[in-house]
Formats: sequence, C-alpha cells, structure tokens
Amino acid sequence: GEEVAQTPKHLVRGEGQKAKLYCAPIKGHSYVFWYQQVLKNEFKFLISFQNENVFDETGMPKERFSAKCLPNSPCSLEIQATKLEDSAVYFCASSLRQGNTEAFFGQGTRLTVV
Amino acid sequence: GESVGLHLPTLSVQEGDNSIINCAYSNSASDYFIWYKQESGKGPQFIIDIRSNMDKRQGQRVTVLLNKTVKHLSLQIAATQPGDSAVYFCAENYDTENNRLAFGKGNQVVVIP
Repeated sequence: GEEVAQTPKHLVRGEGQKAKLYCAPIKGHSYVFWYQQVLKNEFKFLISFQNENVFDETGMPKERFSAKCLPNSPCSLEIQATKLEDSAVYFCASSLRQGNTEAFFGQGTRLTVV
Repeated sequence: GESVGLHLPTLSVQEGDNSIINCAYSNSASDYFIWYKQESGKGPQFIIDIRSNMDKRQGQRVTVLLNKTVKHLSLQIAATQPGDSAVYFCAENYDTENNRLAFGKGNQVVVIP
C-alpha cells in the first residue's frame, strides 16, 4: 500500500491480558520500526526489522514484548500479560532503505490497559 | 496532589506570522535530522529533513537550520496557517547502520486565527 496501515486503531485490555497490534508497511519498504509514545510526547524506540529479520531490538522490554515480521503477513507487536504502564500509542514506521532516510509513520494503535 | 497530564512547550502564533521552533539534539555524531508534525490522534508526518553536511534547507513555507557546533536544530514556518497547529518533533538519526530515530520533546504550536 501507499501508506503504513496499523490495526486496530484502539485496543482496550484488562491487566494481565494479551494485546496484539498489527502493521502493514508501505509496499517495497524493507525496514519496519515500532515506537511507543506515552502521554502524547516522547517516542521510545522498541524494535526494527529488515524484512523478516530483527535488525535492532535494543529498545524492547525483555519480558512480555515480542514482535514479528513474517513474509506475506502484516508485522505484529504482541504484549503478553499487559500492565497499566503499557498504556500508550504504538506507532509503526517503515522506510525504503537503511540509513539517513525518511521513515513513514502509521496512524498508531492506542492501547489502554484497565 | 500531583498534577496529571503533560504540558508541552507551547508557541502561540497569530495566523500569517512566522513561527520558529527550536530543538537541541543530543548526539554530536548524528548526521541526519527530520522534523515531524503530529496532529491530534494521528501519526508523525514528515515535514523536512537535513543532512549534517548542510546548515540550511528550505521546503515549501518551511526552513530547517542546523547548527552542529551547539547541536541545535530549528524549524521556521512562514506565514503560519491554522492547519499548522500541531505538535512538532525533531528527530536525529545517530546510528546510520539501522536508521533508528531518537525523538526530541514535542513543541506545540497553536495558531490563532
């Protein structure tokens, strides 16, 4: 597609439940990034992929968070046993190539943990 | 008790005036910078970028200035319009191996008609 598509737009989960977020990058883009934005302000980098391979996962919490980008499927970010502090907007971005190039963002998924 | 919610630095500007938003970045090795605009409920939208071998770049109604000596970036918006009301973020790419962006704090621009 011509834009990064994220689903769902909103997600509400009870504490301890699982949350799964999806992202379809722009067609032809090899790099996918996940960011977490809390309180409409700072963006925290979580993980990036080059095609289906994890490229940089240094921002991912060691427990509970996992992500995949499988061929011919949307990328996904999964949070096991959600906690209240996981409430945030999760953005996916994609870029055409590595290094010094624009990243295009999706509209985000707002996760609310209650 | 504690106050909740986030108070962003806010620039209120009259419609038609020019706006300047500033950003201090952290890594002297960063060689690529982007300004993003984020409207309420939406994702960041690319405005303009600049590489470290430049100190100025112009787009349509926007100009980015880069001062590497003091690690400072600014965004100038000419003839600000109501549609420019948004939160603006600067981002630096300090690791060209992976295109990972580090975002600065947002600056809210409110355009007064």
